[in-house]
Amino acid sequence: GESVGLHLPTLSVQEGDNSIINCAYSNSASDYFIWYKQESGKGPQFIIDIRSNMDKRQGQRVTVLLNKTVKHLSLQIAATQPGDSAVYFCAEKDPGTYKYIFGTGTRLKVLA
Amino acid sequence: EAGVAQSPRYKIIEKRQSVAFWCNPISGHATLYWYQQILGQGPKLLIQFQNNGVVDDSQLPKDRFSAERLKGVDSTLKIQPAKLEDSAVYLCASSSLTGHSNQPQHFGDGTRLSIL
Repeated sequence: GESVGLHLPTLSVQEGDNSIINCAYSNSASDYFIWYKQESGKGPQFIIDIRSNMDKRQGQRVTVLLNKTVKHLSLQIAATQPGDSAVYFCAEKDPGTYKYIFGTGTRLKVLA
Repeated sequence: EAGVAQSPRYKIIEKRQSVAFWCNPISGHATLYWYQQILGQGPKLLIQFQNNGVVDDSQLPKDRFSAERLKGVDSTLKIQPAKLEDSAVYLCASSSLTGHSNQPQHFGDGTRLSIL
């Protein structure tokens, strides 16, 4: 199927290794952040979220870290699997609204 | 629960023609969004509804794009006339409106529009 993003930054990792995907956000007042996974031909799928009053949140095999000082968000995927291959987007919520602003995305390639 | 439904999945038209996309959000979700995703980019918000009212349409090219959500449930997005630069995937998303303001959006699989 057609790729979601042909010219996105790409991270290649070996199967079983940990992956770290980074995102810089724009508004220091943003109070809520989401990581999405988008596979080819599909819409973005919610992975994990974090509120600005937290520094870290863990899910199943995924951890999100928030560094408000430098406006940086990261997604860590433990024991990366072939099914994790996709494009990953971070999104920040415009404070006081329900509007979300998406980053440019990172393509994750898992090597067997 | 059923996800966000969109149709059609694909549409090919010639420039200057018109096209319409349909979205049915998750049942009970008050907020509905339309996004445009150009290949290689993140989704860009076009319009946001809360129930049947428009909350934000600041990035909607109103000379050619229109959207409605008349009964506060499903929604249509129309382009008339289409331009070559409108080739993109049009994504619909919805989220619930609860006492807690931070709720994730749930996306449909989009309509891929190609303009010839």
